[in-house]
Amino acid sequence: AQSVAQPEDQVNVAEGNPLTVKCTYSVSGNPYLFWYVQYPNRGLQFLLKYITGDNLVKGSYGFEAEFNKSQTSFHLKKPSALVSDSALYFCAVRDWGYNKLIFGAGTRLAVHP
Amino acid sequence: DTEVTQTPKHLVMGMTNKKSLKCEQHMGHRAMYWYKQKAKKPPELMFVYSYEKLSINESVPSRFSPECPNSSLLNLHLHALQPEDSALYLCASSEEGGNQPQHFGDGTRLSIL
Repeated sequence: AQSVAQPEDQVNVAEGNPLTVKCTYSVSGNPYLFWYVQYPNRGLQFLLKYITGDNLVKGSYGFEAEFNKSQTSFHLKKPSALVSDSALYFCAVRDWGYNKLIFGAGTRLAVHP
Repeated sequence: DTEVTQTPKHLVMGMTNKKSLKCEQHMGHRAMYWYKQKAKKPPELMFVYSYEKLSINESVPSRFSPECPNSSLLNLHLHALQPEDSALYLCASSEEGGNQPQHFGDGTRLSIL
């Protein structure tokens, strides 16, 4: 069965510092991986996806993610955090055979001035 | 602004009421989804429509009844809900294909008295 784990409930980082939000996955076959962000009182916004190709994927708002097949990870990164990046981040994997996403539990990112 | 529009944004209803949630997208997407989200938790898939036909029902109680009148519209009819049904209800749409991201609306916040 497909699954996604986000091992950190919360990540705290100072503004201007690099940030990493961790995600590991378990799938049978090749993974289709996604990152979404949710701001308060809003829906989920798509940030980026990995389907195939380069292991470093660039997305919206300066975010990028690194796919590592040997470590079954897909960590979200940004070189310089902004206070406005503070939000809830979800990693997700496509459930093969079904038109559905499997979400991780979410990681709350808090960027302090 | 999101490209998936949900109405109403807020809804308060009693346990004996009948109400409907509406979702509209004009991106030409042929897959549409309903999710339920509790505070600080990932979205839980409820229903998936593909080409206007129900393709996934995640064992949702019959007090929730989805409807897809056409390729742009998705409704969720509510009847005799329970207090535990209070949540944020999110609609999403996507192109067909597992590598396509889902686009979410901002949701309807539902409170059951």
